[in-house]
Amino acid sequence: DQQVKQNSPSLSVQEGRISILNCDYTNSMFDYFLWYKKYPAEGPTFLISISSIKDKNEDGRFTVFLNKSAKHLSLHIVPSQPGDSAVYFCAASARGTSYGKLTFGQGTILTVHP
Amino acid sequence: DGGITQSPKYLFRKEGQNVTLSCEQNLNHDAMYWYRQDPGQGLRLIYYSQIVNDFQKGDIAEGYSVSREKKESFPLTVTSAQKNPTAFYLCASSISLTELSGNTIYFGEGSWLTVV
Repeated sequence: DQQVKQNSPSLSVQEGRISILNCDYTNSMFDYFLWYKKYPAEGPTFLISISSIKDKNEDGRFTVFLNKSAKHLSLHIVPSQPGDSAVYFCAASARGTSYGKLTFGQGTILTVHP
Repeated sequence: DGGITQSPKYLFRKEGQNVTLSCEQNLNHDAMYWYRQDPGQGLRLIYYSQIVNDFQKGDIAEGYSVSREKKESFPLTVTSAQKNPTAFYLCASSISLTELSGNTIYFGEGSWLTVV
């Protein structure tokens, strides 16, 4: 049972444009969400997170939006840069369990073309 | 530099053998985790430990074992009972299990295990 889903395996964007990566979840107990960036054969690095008490969090070029009623979150990257090309994972954690126990989506491969 | 060190980076195992992946952190973190990544899939939690001498099963613990004898070390043993062990293994740590801030969960560089 895939509780966190990233339905787009890949996304291709032109440099300077907006990249929008999407993530859906099914577990209504999830109340904290994170985005990680990962290069092949390396560990993920943290990008940005959002608590369920918010619907938006911004950090530089990265903004995460949370729609709790739709159980959907998205990561916006503006403007996109070639160095952003990587695999992006969304992850979630739930009330009543530990926040360090993350449930990950399958990942979306982002390619930013110069 | 503080961080998480995993070794070896690449490991080959013959069928029927146990192998142990090392994970060491010098971040003074209480909580440590092991995740597994298969191609085209997200990371899945194998085991986690909140404190020394305590650890709990994650979502896919069968065929794996861990120990937490020291705060800084959390080795993972892939036993012969693990039917499909070929994967990328990631160790992680955080200040505590209840820490809310996402940027306190740090990952190591990973270890590739291949069964030959």
